Amino acid sequence: GIQVEQSPPDLILQEGANSTLRCNFSDSVNNLQWFHQNPWGQLINLFYIPSGTKQNGRLSATTVATERYSLLYISSSQTTDSGVYFCAGVTQGGSEKLVFGKGTKLTVNP
Amino acid sequence: SAVISQKPSRDICQRGTSLTIQCQVDSQVTMMFWYRQQPGQSLTLIATANQGSEATYESGFVIDKFPISRPNLTFSTLTVSNMSPEDSSIYLCSVDTAGRGEQYFGPGTRLTVT
Repeated sequence: GIQVEQSPPDLILQEGANSTLRCNFSDSVNNLQWFHQNPWGQLINLFYIPSGTKQNGRLSATTVATERYSLLYISSSQTTDSGVYFCAGVTQGGSEKLVFGKGTKLTVNP
Repeated sequence: SAVISQKPSRDICQRGTSLTIQCQVDSQVTMMFWYRQQPGQSLTLIATANQGSEATYESGFVIDKFPISRPNLTFSTLTVSNMSPEDSSIYLCSVDTAGRGEQYFGPGTRLTVT
């Protein structure tokens, strides 16, 4: 199966800073998603982005499918952005099994 | 998207007992998924549940330990059987409402086994 690698594993920011999270895939994927897991464990959908670039407020994401990576940008970070960010994808030609990376734990300090 | 609810939200159980987790969706969906998230870890797919057929289990997960029911297109249950402390995890269900592979997750069930 595909391998999903996320970097960095941990990130500490001061409020107002910008950051970039990266997700690499070992094989071509469909249905690339980014999630934010808040401190209560709820998994929140951020982006469904098999390719291209999308923006939603202070967050944006870019997936370069041909090079097997995706980036999540967080601008002007806030303390409420803290939590774990996961990317996940589905192997092309396979089942709908969503394979997750190990996540990036983000801490935003006031 | 979809509104997905899970019951219970959390529970503390004794080893050797079983717990059944319910997942309810506000719209009809073909496939429902069950995931486990062990403490400090990522999510791992347990099984895929289609209505009217046997669930498909991933490597390392067996039906005797994690029996799944899927009686209709809006509901599913996952049972964690003969629990041990290693089963302490968050269990999440998810659905693909748009049929394009984008999954939405329920709030999760936080299970502690003592």
